Amino acid sequence: EVQLLQSGGALVQPGGSLKLSCEASGFTFTAYSMNWVRQAPGKGLEWVSYLSGSGSASYYADSVKGRFTMSTDKDKRSLYLQMDDLRVEDTAVYYCARGENAYSSYWNYWGQGTLITVSS
Amino acid sequence: DIVMTQSPDSLAVSLGERATITCKSSQSVLSSSTNQNFLAWYQKKPGQPPKLLIYWASTRQSGVPDRFSGGGSGTDFTLTISGLQAEDVAVYYCHQYYDSHTFGQGTKLEIK
Repeated sequence: EVQLLQSGGALVQPGGSLKLSCEASGFTFTAYSMNWVRQAPGKGLEWVSYLSGSGSASYYADSVKGRFTMSTDKDKRSLYLQMDDLRVEDTAVYYCARGENAYSSYWNYWGQGTLITVSS
Repeated sequence: DIVMTQSPDSLAVSLGERATITCKSSQSVLSSSTNQNFLAWYQKKPGQPPKLLIYWASTRQSGVPDRFSGGGSGTDFTLTISGLQAEDVAVYYCHQYYDSHTFGQGTKLEIK
């Protein structure tokens, strides 16, 4: 069974940093591209970033480009989102997501979500 | 960026009736090479991750009840729920994956 288990939420001050994690099980981790999607309180869904299964290609939304970085640890079967220079507008529930197959760009497997609050 | 616009923003439908949500993209999401529309629909309930309902505009995800159906092509798409059930109360989002990823603003579906 495919499972994506995310780390717990946190409160961070503006300008601070935080690293989210998403532990994968039930599939060959390196065979699938992964994404992060977020939802700010009372708002809609927003795609944040993409990382290919090989780790060779990554893409970011303009709103986070240069501040957020995706990475993986194959031994720990984990996906990470390093978030630097956090802003109040980054406050959201963050989800890791995977597609049906290695190249799917729609997502049917999701983590449970992690609430990140950026506030002083 | 491709802008996705859903209508209406909210919708109240009686149990057993039909609900229709529309999604319009600012440019076509139809691939001329594959003849597929790069459009998906998700259901989002509070405290839960999004649930994939439809992909390629009209392909129902495994396990999704057949009362959910998707249609349309190019720039205009619909999600139809035939025979609304109480558990269908949620916010529904369209998602284009033709050029990067963007979502519609969401449509809140309630029971009348």
